[in-house]
Amino acid sequence: SQTIHQWPATLVQPVGSPLSLECTVEGTSNPNLYWYRQAAGRGLQLLFYSVGIGQISSEVPQNLSASRPQDRQFILSSKKLLLSDSGFYLCAWSGGTGGSYEQYFGPGTRLTVT
Amino acid sequence: GEDVEQSLFLSVREGDSSVINCTYTDSSSTYLYWYKQEPGAGLQLLTYIFSNMDMKQDQRLTVLLNKKDKHLSLRIADTQTGDSAIYFCAEMRGGDMRFGAGTRLTVKP
Repeated sequence: SQTIHQWPATLVQPVGSPLSLECTVEGTSNPNLYWYRQAAGRGLQLLFYSVGIGQISSEVPQNLSASRPQDRQFILSSKKLLLSDSGFYLCAWSGGTGGSYEQYFGPGTRLTVT
Repeated sequence: GEDVEQSLFLSVREGDSSVINCTYTDSSSTYLYWYKQEPGAGLQLLTYIFSNMDMKQDQRLTVLLNKKDKHLSLRIADTQTGDSAIYFCAEMRGGDMRFGAGTRLTVKP
C-alpha cells in the first residue's frame, strides 16, 4: 500500500531564516506530487505540483520554491522566510490507476515564523 | 462563481444526521470529492463521485450530486463525536483539484 511522509511535523523558524520541508511517498512510482498551504481557518492553496523528476509548476508567485530530486521525493524550500509564510503545509500525491485522480495527503507540517 | 463554496460551520447533536453542502464551479468537472481533516492532521479522502452519478452511498456516508445546479452534498447518518472535523469539498476541473474552504462540523453530545 502507498504511504506518504512529511517532516518535520512542526517547525518554528525566525524571519529571514531558510526553510526545507520534505515529503516522500512509498509504494507507488511516478506519482504526481503537490504542495499546499493551509492558513489558519482557511482552505487549501496549491503552491506547486510536479508530474515528474525535475518538473515543477508554480501556482502562486512567492518566496518559496520546490524541487523534485527523486521520483518519490518532493521538497519545499525558502531562502528567507517571511511572517506570512506561517501555516500548515500539506504534501499530496495522486496517480492511481482508476482514473479518479484523487489525491492522498500527508500528515502536514505546522510552520510558525516568528 | 470561481470558487468552490461551502458553509463554514455546522453543528448537530450526536445521533442526528449531518448534511454538508457544496456548490462547485464547473459543470464539466469529472470527479467530485469529500475530504475530512481532523485537528492538526492532513486531509483524509472520504469518498468521491463520478459526474455521471447522482448518488453514492458508503456505510454512513451518502453523497448526492445535482449536476444541473452544480450542487454536491455529504450526508452523515447517526453522527458521532468522532465525526467532528473540517470537511472539504473538491472538484477536478481541467486537471486541477479545486477545494472549498471547508465546513467545520461540531457534534454535541
